[in-house]
Amino acid sequence: EPEVTQTPSHQVTQMGQEVILRCVPISNHLYFYWYRQILGQKVEFLVSFYNNEISEKSEIFDDQFSVERPDGSNFTLKIRSTKLEDSAMYFCASRGRQNTEAFFGQGTRLTVV
Amino acid sequence: AQSVTQPDIHITVSEGASLELRCNYSYGATPYLFWYVQSPGQGLQLLLKYFSGDTLVQGIKGFEAEFKRSQSSFNLRKPSVPWSDAAEYFCAVGAAGSARQLTFGSGTQLTVLP
Repeated sequence: EPEVTQTPSHQVTQMGQEVILRCVPISNHLYFYWYRQILGQKVEFLVSFYNNEISEKSEIFDDQFSVERPDGSNFTLKIRSTKLEDSAMYFCASRGRQNTEAFFGQGTRLTVV
Repeated sequence: AQSVTQPDIHITVSEGASLELRCNYSYGATPYLFWYVQSPGQGLQLLLKYFSGDTLVQGIKGFEAEFKRSQSSFNLRKPSVPWSDAAEYFCAVGAAGSARQLTFGSGTQLTVLP
């Protein structure tokens, strides 16, 4: 069964460093998403991406964040200068045109120290 | 803007007992509604979804949910819960528009006693 794959599963980084979280969505899906879940809190929408551009973003998704689909298969989330409060589980999701639900990856736990 | 409320932060049931997890939503139009489950250290797995039609929807693992427009609710039910169902359960509503990002509730942690 096709699945969304995220790497790494856990990343530790120092405050101020740049991180790139990677996702391989389900092939032939067209909509791509990033969500985050701070420990003990709800899952929050960050950004959606369609047709090689951002279609929606939340207020969380400020200038420190960017997304890219560099090669037609990977979908990345970059945080330019990490802050302690960026520590969270980051989930990638994808959705096909005909499907109506999003499929989520296993998540990347980001720890900023 | 849409919102989702899961009034029960934590529920404990005995193995074999029935289960109902509550979800209330706020949305201006006909909502797309979902229930996801998250086991410790795992991602989000879709249990079931509602878009239109029959208001009682069946999902995986023996779960079902009923959409009640008059009550703005989409409660998740299961007649008999095994120990392995212990997890966190999230209700979510999908936004209108092509992006249709999800707004999640704060989750209900389910503990199952042997």
